Amino acid sequence: RKEVEQDPGPFNVPEGATVAFNCTYSNSASQSFFWYRQDCRKEPKLLMSVYSSGNEDGRFTAQLNRASQYISLLIRDSKLSDSATYLCVVKEYGGSQGNLIFGKGTKLSVKP
Amino acid sequence: GAVVSQHPSWVICKSGTSVKIECRSLDFQATTMFWYRQFPKQSLMLMATSNEGSKATYEQGVEKDKFLINHASLTLSTLTVTSAHPEDSSFYICSAVFLAVQETQYFGPGTRLLVL
Repeated sequence: RKEVEQDPGPFNVPEGATVAFNCTYSNSASQSFFWYRQDCRKEPKLLMSVYSSGNEDGRFTAQLNRASQYISLLIRDSKLSDSATYLCVVKEYGGSQGNLIFGKGTKLSVKP
Repeated sequence: GAVVSQHPSWVICKSGTSVKIECRSLDFQATTMFWYRQFPKQSLMLMATSNEGSKATYEQGVEKDKFLINHASLTLSTLTVTSAHPEDSSFYICSAVFLAVQETQYFGPGTRLLVL
């Protein structure tokens, strides 16, 4: 089975720290890439899509390297509310039938 | 607000009983719904893809006779866990893809199933 691999963590960081998560995927034909956030005992929620050119949303920056099949997420100026599990997600083909392949997630704990 | 709801949010049942979980898209027509399962400290695993009016497509290793999926309308899909056993205890999450935004899956809040 094609996989998405992430460092499980946990990453324990102080407020205000910058933290980076990495992810690799095995299927070179993958079409779309995302970072989701999942809080304890909750459903995953889309944080941001990831584009080859790199994209930024406030304190969050995502990057994709198709050649290396590598995805990253950078969080600057960490807040307590950023504590969650971050899921790297790959969509193997497009359209409505493209199912999502989830990594196991990287747990982040931001401390005061 | 939420665009996908699930009911119930919690189920505790005895081994051997069947449990039905509903997934509803609110105010939108969902062309496709997906059913996932997540065991503790594991990733979400796709169980099946459900299209309105047709049979669900199950992932390898998922028993279609045990996990019955019905997608009778564009706003409702149900997953029935038949003759549930303790190993079926898990977090079941549905997601929906809407006609207008086909690249994005919207997740329901999930259903926690505990089989005693």
